[in-house]
Amino acid sequence: DIQMTQSPSTLSASVGDTVTITCRASQSPSGWLAWYQQKPGKAPKLLIYKASNLESGVPSRFSGSGSGTEYTLTISSLQPDDFATYYCQQYNTYSRTFGQGTKVEI
Amino acid sequence: QVQLVESGGGLVKPGGSLRLSCVTSGFTLSDHYMSWLRQAPGSGLEWLAYISGSGDAIKYADSVKGRFTISRDNAKNSLYLQMDSLRAEDTAFYYCARRGDYFHSWGQGTLVTVSS
Repeated sequence: DIQMTQSPSTLSASVGDTVTITCRASQSPSGWLAWYQQKPGKAPKLLIYKASNLESGVPSRFSGSGSGTEYTLTISSLQPDDFATYYCQQYNTYSRTFGQGTKVEI
Repeated sequence: QVQLVESGGGLVKPGGSLRLSCVTSGFTLSDHYMSWLRQAPGSGLEWLAYISGSGDAIKYADSVKGRFTISRDNAKNSLYLQMDSLRAEDTAFYYCARRGDYFHSWGQGTLVTVSS
């Protein structure tokens, strides 16, 4: 299985900040990488697929990039609604695997 | 709009069985791979299984292979997860999701608690 490691585990930020979350893979998922947002008590929500493709309806302040074994999720001008936990997920191998999550808090 | 609604969770003893259901609406189920995932309370996400639109392609995570069975009934717009030989570590919220690669739409989840 491809192991996914996110950093940091927790990120303290303020409204208006630009934040970056990194996801490193034990082997390259070849760009087949997604990002999700999850709020307490809710199901995850898809933000980004294929490393940099923004899901329909997701604000443009969210962006994804990366290649090889390192990928990033950037949130520009953080909004109050963005305080949540974020997960990366690879789907290059049939055994889909997630990072452990990054909590973005005030 | 797309909706997925899970049901069937509850309290079960170790070694017991449970069948989860996911009723879908707002899209043609047979056109889509579907998946089950879970999340232990306070923990991260774990993919469990996916099934192709016709049901002829199925994959499982090693953690549930041989114990869990994914199936679907497209005529009933439903996805299922049969869970046997349940263990305490299977305690989690269980989600169904559309697609088998990344997970486009999710249900609200159903809680399964395995405890004596």
